[in-house]
Amino acid sequence: EDKVVQSPLSLVVHEGDTVTLNCSYEVTNFRSLLWYKQEKKAPTFLFMLTSSGIEKKSGRLSSILDKKELFSILNITATQTGDSAVYLCAVELIQGAQKLVFGQGTRLTINP
Amino acid sequence: DAGITQSPRYKITETGRQVTLMCHQTWSHSYMFWYRQDLGHGLRLIYYSAAADITDKGEVPDGYVVSRSKTENFPLTLESATRSQTSVYFCASSPPTGTYTFGSGTRLTVV
Repeated sequence: EDKVVQSPLSLVVHEGDTVTLNCSYEVTNFRSLLWYKQEKKAPTFLFMLTSSGIEKKSGRLSSILDKKELFSILNITATQTGDSAVYLCAVELIQGAQKLVFGQGTRLTINP
Repeated sequence: DAGITQSPRYKITETGRQVTLMCHQTWSHSYMFWYRQDLGHGLRLIYYSAAADITDKGEVPDGYVVSRSKTENFPLTLESATRSQTSVYFCASSPPTGTYTFGSGTRLTVV
């Protein structure tokens, strides 16, 4: 059974801290790994990772994939209260239908 | 407006009733998906569609029916709603290569 596991499930830090969110996966037919940020409504896309070792960056957020060890991390530096959200990791499968398998999400709370 | 829209945003229904959740996208994306989101389970795939008139089951399809007569619409019907179907439902669309875009969700409560 395809599985995506995120850790921690919940994290509370102070503004300005750096956080690392983890995502490990066990799937057949891996195509890509995606990170989403979910505030009160729909998940919004952050990163898509397909190759090992290549860091993707967007402002204070960065992510990297390790296809040998089957995990990815999402780093957020100099956190702000606006970073408070649920962060979802998903793996896209090569099955001709672009299905995503999601992890449970990490609820990140940034306190001022 | 371009995008993906879901309706209604909120719905309360009684056990045993039929409910249809609507999803409409304006990009002509070939792929569309329905997910439900519950605490402790994350997002789970209910049904998906690769094109008009092509649908397939996801991880949790029991109790749900979908149709896709037009590329832009992908309604989800609960044939006889049960309390276990209380959830937040997200529709998403995607081109053949690329990332999902999610609708704003429908919060369904079955009483």
